[in-house]
Amino acid sequence: DIVLTQSPGTLSLSPGESATLSCRASQSVGSNNLAWYQHKPGQPPRLLIYRASSRATGIPDRFSGRGSGTDFTLTITRLEPEDFAVYYCQQYGRSPPYTFGQGTRLEIK
Amino acid sequence: QFQLVESGGGVVQPGGSLRLSCAVSGFTLSTYGMHWVRLAPDKGLEWVAVVPYDGNNKDYADSVKGRFIISRDNSKNTVDLLMNSLRPEDTAVYFCAKDRGAGLVWDAFDFWGRGTVVNVSS
Repeated sequence: DIVLTQSPGTLSLSPGESATLSCRASQSVGSNNLAWYQHKPGQPPRLLIYRASSRATGIPDRFSGRGSGTDFTLTITRLEPEDFAVYYCQQYGRSPPYTFGQGTRLEIK
Repeated sequence: QFQLVESGGGVVQPGGSLRLSCAVSGFTLSTYGMHWVRLAPDKGLEWVAVVPYDGNNKDYADSVKGRFIISRDNSKNTVDLLMNSLRPEDTAVYFCAKDRGAGLVWDAFDFWGRGTVVNVSS
């Protein structure tokens, strides 16, 4: 099974700054089938990025994803107050399990 | 507007059973694979189970294999998760989620419900 390791565990930043979140896979993620989700307490997780770099419907261009193989990043520019949440990467595709990373908590500094 | 609404959560004793249901609207359920994902206290998201669009070739996380059964009724627009032999470590918020891919094309999870809480405790 593919294990995803996210770093850092917690990121403390101020509104207006930029955030870079990392996701490293234990083996190559086929077809770059890597997604990023945002999750806030009491809400459903929200798909941000799929196929490593494609933004989901309605996601502002402040969110961008890049990477391939085993190393992926999510960048959020010009942080807004509503961006502070937990972010998960996930690998998906033909064969389960569709594992998630352990999450990065983005908190207000 | 896509909607997924989970129900059936509650408090259950270890060894007990619970059936969760996910009612969907706003899209043709029979076109898409559906998943259950859980979020345990102080832990991250964990994928639990998948049922393809046609109900065949279901799959499960190792942590629930042999205990949980996922099913779907495309005519009733529902996806269920029957949970047997429950353990305290199954305590979590359970979400149903729609796969973005159609048919046997697997993709990210583009729509989620708000979840239902399961508490396994004596």
